Amino acid sequence: QSALTQPASVSGSPGQSITISCTGTTSDVGGYNYVSWYQQHPGKAPKLMIYDVSDRPSGVSSRFSGSKSGNTASLTISGLQAEDEADYYCSSYTSSSTLVVFGGGTKLTVL
Amino acid sequence: EVQLLESGGGLVQPGGSLRLSCAASGFIFSTFAMSWVRQAPGKGLEWVSAISPSGGSTYYADSVKGRFTISRDNSKNTLYLQMNSLRAEDTAVYYCATSTMVRGKGPNWFDPWGQGTLVTVSS
Repeated sequence: QSALTQPASVSGSPGQSITISCTGTTSDVGGYNYVSWYQQHPGKAPKLMIYDVSDRPSGVSSRFSGSKSGNTASLTISGLQAEDEADYYCSSYTSSSTLVVFGGGTKLTVL
Repeated sequence: EVQLLESGGGLVQPGGSLRLSCAASGFIFSTFAMSWVRQAPGKGLEWVSAISPSGGSTYYADSVKGRFTISRDNSKNTLYLQMNSLRAEDTAVYYCATSTMVRGKGPNWFDPWGQGTLVTVSS
């Protein structure tokens, strides 16, 4: 069982918006602004999409945005495109000895 | 262009050892913290270990502490992971990635990532 909880799957039609949640505790998501999100296509390495809750690396589409409320972080993808279909993972620094925790991943299907 | 190229994966028996390497290019390797992150077949991501830019500070997940050792050679732009006492549950694709650190306490985010190298622990 992963330390951070994500829905196993979400889906949306092209052009729509979807949100993926990532729930932790006050020791990780709720206690620090060190949440990041990764996109992983099948057979490929993960790619950083959001860091420090809501910052976007250079080159990542502005359709991707991040936020946080309490112990839950969220990744929103607007204007869904077929190429967005992938697995998405959240991650957070944690004050526990684990240091870093990941969510179990969410499979995004673009209908 | 930043490139990270892992190597050294393969099939090893339980209790055996393996050393992974990650060759870096396209950036000033000695100024970046580095991490190893693994992914068991069909499963999610798990952070394994991190090392500071100088190599003076190292960090480990509880699941590998005492069995794995991370190191780096800044003169060769190469990151290593020495894995001893391997178990079936260590079977995974191992990725290296550049990391930012949280005030020297542990890794924050990982970017970019290498393509990964598969380690299979089985008899």
